[in-house]
Amino acid sequence: AQSVTQLGSHVSVSEGALVLLRCNYSSSVPPYLFWYVQYPNQGLQLLLKYTSAATLVKGINGFEAEFKKSETSFHLTKPSAHMSDAAEYFCALFNFGNEKLTFGTGTRLTIIP
Amino acid sequence: DSGVTQTPKHLITATGQRVTLRCSPRSGDLSVYWYQQSLDQGLQFLIQYYNGEERAKGNILERFSAQQFPDLHSELNLSSLELGDSALYFCASSVKPSGDTQYFGPGTRLTVL
Repeated sequence: AQSVTQLGSHVSVSEGALVLLRCNYSSSVPPYLFWYVQYPNQGLQLLLKYTSAATLVKGINGFEAEFKKSETSFHLTKPSAHMSDAAEYFCALFNFGNEKLTFGTGTRLTIIP
Repeated sequence: DSGVTQTPKHLITATGQRVTLRCSPRSGDLSVYWYQQSLDQGLQFLIQYYNGEERAKGNILERFSAQQFPDLHSELNLSSLELGDSALYFCASSVKPSGDTQYFGPGTRLTVL
């Protein structure tokens, strides 16, 4: 079965520090992978997506993610955290086998001033 | 603003009642998806329509149904409501029927009392 695991339901980093949000996936076929961000009381906004082209994907707001097949990972990073990055982040996998977008359980990112 | 609109923003109703949630996709998008977000279940895919036809089904209860109209807007009908149906319901849209980036609306928060 296809699945997405986000390690750490809560992550806190200091303003200006590196942000690292972890996502591991399980898929029997090459997946498309996405990171979405959800600000309080809002819908999900696409940060970036991997669609089997370049393994390092750059997104909006300074975020990027690297697809590592050997580690079945797609971790999200940002070199320097900003207060406005405080939100919930979801990793998602689109599997062409069942044509469904499966979301991880989310990671709530808190930025410490 | 993703371009996807959902009405109403909030809905409060009683157990046993029926409600209808409405979604208008981005201009040009033919595919509409419905998701449920709750604290205990996370983000769950419910159902997808593409150009008026049902394309994929997820964890949608038999008490729930959806349709997509000729103008491509979609409605999600929830009947015989239970307390556990209280959740955020998101609509998303995409151009292609499969594997495409999904753009999410702001959601409808349903509270069942």
